[in-house]
Amino acid sequence: RKEVEQDPGPFNVPEGATVAFNCTYSNSASQSFFWYRQDCRKEPKLLMSVYSSGNEDGRFTAQLNRASQYISLLIRDSKLSDSATYLCVVNMWNYGGSQGNLIFGKGTKLSVKP
Amino acid sequence: ETGVTQSPTHLIKTRGQQVTLRCSSQSGHNTVSWYQQALGQGPQFIFQYYREEENGRGNFPPRFSGLQFPNYSSELNVNALELDDSALYLCASSYDSGTSAPGELFFGEGSRLTVL
Repeated sequence: RKEVEQDPGPFNVPEGATVAFNCTYSNSASQSFFWYRQDCRKEPKLLMSVYSSGNEDGRFTAQLNRASQYISLLIRDSKLSDSATYLCVVNMWNYGGSQGNLIFGKGTKLSVKP
Repeated sequence: ETGVTQSPTHLIKTRGQQVTLRCSSQSGHNTVSWYQQALGQGPQFIFQYYREEENGRGNFPPRFSGLQFPNYSSELNVNALELDDSALYLCASSYDSGTSAPGELFFGEGSRLTVL
């Protein structure tokens, strides 16, 4: 089983649509959770961290279910500029100087059409 | 602009050759991580350097090695290149206080390596 699994898509949606991405992770020791966005042939950029209580940033809502080892990202009112690959990321880190490493899923490709 | 710069941006090598990729971290950051991203895949963790020492390594063979310099810039060296080493190599810098949760990683634009 892969450490972080995502539906690769592509998700093709019209402008204004609501779209949801899901992700599962295999290691229950994972400590931190993120969604990154990666535009074509560019570097990944942090979209948002994901907390157990759920968190929202404008049109974006992220949820974490530790019991099910499941992370989600909801995008409301999709814009053309939301077209990108969305990477689900988990991190196992320890205090004392070790950041651990980021474990990326393969990404889910989103294409928002006019 | 993240303030993380990588060089070269593109390069072509042949099997068996060696390559050195360079990364300048963002000002104030003390930790550099390297990732390999093959086409259609998510980035894979190679290793991380903290205060000039390797501080964590992913599932990559010893022919992948690195350095971090006193100014926190870093190099990734790959010996005996193989065709499967063709990928985008990403450097990410961050600040780690050692006593609290790690800070956000900021990625450079990457070095795209093609091995023929």
